Amino acid sequence: SQTIHQWPATLVQPVGSPLSLECTVEGTSNPNLYWYRQAAGRGLQLLFYSVGIGQISSEVPQNLSASRPQDRQFILSSKKLLLSDSGFYLCAWSSWGGAYEQYFGPGTRLTVT
Amino acid sequence: EDKVVQSPLSLVVHEGDTVTLNCSYEVTNFRSLLWYKQEKKAPTFLFMLTSSGIEKKSGRLSSILDKKELFSILNITATQTGDSAVYLCAVVGTSGSRLTFGEGTQLTVNP
Repeated sequence: SQTIHQWPATLVQPVGSPLSLECTVEGTSNPNLYWYRQAAGRGLQLLFYSVGIGQISSEVPQNLSASRPQDRQFILSSKKLLLSDSGFYLCAWSSWGGAYEQYFGPGTRLTVT
Repeated sequence: EDKVVQSPLSLVVHEGDTVTLNCSYEVTNFRSLLWYKQEKKAPTFLFMLTSSGIEKKSGRLSSILDKKELFSILNITATQTGDSAVYLCAVVGTSGSRLTFGEGTQLTVNP
């Protein structure tokens, strides 16, 4: 069966510091991968998605970036965090080629102070 | 731009009540509508709907899609305190695998 991991679970970082959040998927090959941010416990905002290694699409202009160095690894980064980057970050995967349901990781709660 | 509106935003009921959550959408080249339940952390997948009028059912939860009127409902019968969660609706349109989410309905079931 497929599983998705995210770490760390919680993170407190000062403004201006760098960020690296990691997501890995097991039990599937060539998944589509997604990063979402959720503010105030409500709707999810899609930040980035990837359909393959090195292929990243950005949905929202911001100071975040994403990379996919391996088939089942997705990384969210920032060089300098802003207060507005605080939130709940969720990674998700879906099957390549047509299945639309996405499955989410446990999330990282980021607080920028 | 695809859009999803959920109502109500918040709902408080007593155990045993039946609830109906609403989701309306505007999307180019509709492909599917999905429902998720989110408790403390990751949203968990409930249903995917692609055809009008066909009810999907899982235990006390059921959902149906109306592609003519562009909405879906999620019904929960005989609610339990464990049903307390945020219920999220999302649609897939032209973009293929990308989901556009609504703001969610916060359901609280009191004993």
